[in-house]
Amino acid sequence: DSGVTQTPKHLITATGQRVTLRCSPRSGDLSVYWYQQSLDQGLQFLIQYYNGEERAKGNILERFSAQQFPDLHSELNLSSLELGDSALYFCASSPSKTSGGAITDTQYFGPGTRLTVL
Amino acid sequence: GESVGLHLPTLSVQEGDNSIINCAYSNSASDYFIWYKQESGKGPQFIIDIRSNMDKRQGQRVTVLLNKTVKHLSLQIAATQPGDSAVYFCAENRASGSARQLTFGSGTQLTVLP
Repeated sequence: DSGVTQTPKHLITATGQRVTLRCSPRSGDLSVYWYQQSLDQGLQFLIQYYNGEERAKGNILERFSAQQFPDLHSELNLSSLELGDSALYFCASSPSKTSGGAITDTQYFGPGTRLTVL
Repeated sequence: GESVGLHLPTLSVQEGDNSIINCAYSNSASDYFIWYKQESGKGPQFIIDIRSNMDKRQGQRVTVLLNKTVKHLSLQIAATQPGDSAVYFCAENRASGSARQLTFGSGTQLTVLP
């Protein structure tokens, strides 16, 4: 158990809908990262938040957005869902206590949310 | 372009044998590497890491070797057990502006045969 929790575990929805995935980082971790894992794309970095602010962006679609709240939990919002959005979505957290993130700022992953778009 | 890749997509080993999983990277500025293990239906699990100022690091039954000359990383698992069956990813952690980003390789499926 990494200490990172994600809800829900499974989500089934229809095309065009909007969903929200939730992540609670390990106690004390300031950074939260979101990743998408699909069969043909592997693990793709989406976005990072550090202490409530966006820190880095990866391959995140404009239909997707995220935020980190004052209690450091994070939500990933996926809208206008398409069939191709079906994937596993992972959240990870790291301490990032030094400015810019320490060189050994290891990320610890949650169990993921499996999203199925029908 | 910049990439982190794995040499072999699958690897089968006999229980009790040693396993070696390889990974190549192309960004010479990369300074930190991590190996993750992902079991079916679970999130990636941290195994071991190594900084670029090191050539070798050992953990419990695992060793990571880094060859910066040829930009190659390997994970050695001693006395492989059935519980080691999983997908193994190498990841490159490098500075991206004020942040650090993790870029994953495509993964190697390790199967331990009885």
